[in-house]
Amino acid sequence: RKEVEQDPGPFNVPEGATVAFNCTYSNSASQSFFWYRQDCRKEPKLLMSVYSSGNEDGRFTAQLNRASQYISLLIRDSKLSDSATYLCVVKGTGGFKTIFGAGTRLFVKA
Amino acid sequence: GAVVSQHPSRVICKSGTSVKIECRSLDFQATTMFWYRQFPKKSLMLMATSNEGSKATYEQGVEKDKFLINHASLTLSTLTVTSAHPEDSSFYICSASKTGGYNEQFFGPGTRLTVL
Repeated sequence: RKEVEQDPGPFNVPEGATVAFNCTYSNSASQSFFWYRQDCRKEPKLLMSVYSSGNEDGRFTAQLNRASQYISLLIRDSKLSDSATYLCVVKGTGGFKTIFGAGTRLFVKA
Repeated sequence: GAVVSQHPSRVICKSGTSVKIECRSLDFQATTMFWYRQFPKKSLMLMATSNEGSKATYEQGVEKDKFLINHASLTLSTLTVTSAHPEDSSFYICSASKTGGYNEQFFGPGTRLTVL
């Protein structure tokens, strides 16, 4: 089993749609969770951190379920500019390295 | 914000040559920097963790004599791909963290290496 697993997609959605991505992680000792966005041939950029209580930033909502070792990202009212690959990132402490998911590709169409 | 730069952004070299990539944190001090490699349509793979003033910690399967890392100051880490071969062609990305790596990482723009 991979340490961090994501549905690779691609997700093809129309503008204005709501889309959700899921991510599961295998190490129960994981401490920090993030969603990054990566555009084609560019570096990853932090989209948002994921907090235990769930958090929202504009059209983006992140949820964490520690019991199920599951993270989600919800995008509402999709824009063309949301088209990218979304990376789930998991970190721990005590030397546990950063693990990137393989990413979920999103295409938003007009 | 926190800015990380990489140089060069793109390099093409002949097989057998060595290539040095620089990673700089421009507006903060980074005790820890990370080097990643990414193949097309694949996830980032951590190659090594670079700590200022000490030896880098390499991930399993990454040859430390092949990928030399030097973190000589709090704002600069370098990765040297020695005796590069076509299979080393990849996108190399560095990142830096302000607080030792357990919070947000700031990524450089990446270096695309092509070995002929």
